[in-house]
Amino acid sequence: NAGVMQNPRHLVRRRGQEARLRCSPMKGHSHVYWYRQLPEEGLKFMVYLQKENIIDESGMPKERFSAEFPKEGPSILRIQQVVRGDSAAYFCASSLAGTSGRSTDTQYFGPGTRLTVL
Amino acid sequence: GDSVTQMEGPVTLSEEAFLTINCTYTATGYPSLFWYVQYPGEGLQLLLKATKADDKGSNKGFEATYRKETTSFHLEKGSVQVSDSAVYFCALPGGSEKLVFGKGTKLTVNP
Repeated sequence: NAGVMQNPRHLVRRRGQEARLRCSPMKGHSHVYWYRQLPEEGLKFMVYLQKENIIDESGMPKERFSAEFPKEGPSILRIQQVVRGDSAAYFCASSLAGTSGRSTDTQYFGPGTRLTVL
Repeated sequence: GDSVTQMEGPVTLSEEAFLTINCTYTATGYPSLFWYVQYPGEGLQLLLKATKADDKGSNKGFEATYRKETTSFHLEKGSVQVSDSAVYFCALPGGSEKLVFGKGTKLTVNP
């Protein structure tokens, strides 16, 4: 069973360009999460999606960032008009189910996409 | 909101030394607690977890006990190896499915 897949692994963009990051969850998983890791910091939650629905986007910057998880195909994190401060590692995770009470189902992480903005 | 405070590194040990990485949490109720490990250039892997108070999670020689009295979930290993060199993250659910992570502790094990 393949794990969470992310591509590209490395992405270089110039300021003002668009970045598209893709995430294919583990087989059978319908819950997807995106996290951002800035240099020397821990992971910060960005957005949680289920198929065709954004459930929680409380960690997403208000502008330039968007995410989707269509009925078919991978989840996409899109960053428009990138700036140098967007340089980070972006991790996707997936889980089989969500919260049951206060118990969170295990989230499995992909290898990440390292975005560099020149 | 719910949060974790993790011992800051970096931590440098010799092979076969004893490891402790401290983690304390602030939360309402008794959430599940997790330790994730990130090897160089890779994503996070779940190392171990505990779902209720007094549970002990264990994997690959690592252990952590969920202690509600001290709101702690310290990671321990009796004898570290060079291959354990990585960044270790403590985490808990932050509401609405997301995980809240500590800042991470970088461990380097020298031969």
